[in-house]
Amino acid sequence: SQQGEEDPQALSIQEGENATMNCSYKTSINNLQWYRQNSGRGLVHLILIRSNEREKHSGRLRVTLDTSKKSSSLLITASRAADTASYFCATTGNTGKLIFGQGTTLQVKP
Amino acid sequence: ETGVTQSPTHLIKTRGQQVTLRCSSQSGHNTVSWYQQALGQGPQFIFQYYREEENGRGNFPPRFSGLQFPNYSSELNVNALELDDSALYLCASSLWWGNTGELFFGEGSRLTVL
Repeated sequence: SQQGEEDPQALSIQEGENATMNCSYKTSINNLQWYRQNSGRGLVHLILIRSNEREKHSGRLRVTLDTSKKSSSLLITASRAADTASYFCATTGNTGKLIFGQGTTLQVKP
Repeated sequence: ETGVTQSPTHLIKTRGQQVTLRCSSQSGHNTVSWYQQALGQGPQFIFQYYREEENGRGNFPPRFSGLQFPNYSSELNVNALELDDSALYLCASSLWWGNTGELFFGEGSRLTVL
């Protein structure tokens, strides 16, 4: 079963614009991670935010976490055509297993 | 490149057949997780192996089984294949309770069941 739900399911923007994706989850977590997947390929880890953190940055990525609302957001600034991919949030609870959401498909038009 | 390799990359089977998928984990990683990803869906957790023993299982029937070897490589076996088993099977390695909890994924094995 999926733990997280991403919103929107699909997003289309122009190069240079910012892209925001949201993730909601159901149970308590130790950390939340975001992964990227190019079409039909393996997933690549982007960023991890721990349950006691509220915001984290990595290059053009900004992640926020609100544990009271059980939600997270991923912001990609100044998007590029190469950012076109599917983005997944994944949560780790006490079981230590990483459970993924359904993903947001991002298309960045040149 | 993550250092996790999977084979084969693509394969076609018919209903009722059996399949074995293989995964070599990243050097130094002692934990392997397997995921099934249907088209347009997120990866679904199948099971995890730590030091050659199954350490947690998702909602998959017993015909999905696995092995982990002393060198931490792993196999996923699926018996009595069904049409719904068609998916991308992803292997990911990690250090048990490592510093980041990050998973390192291979490129996947795409299974088509006819």
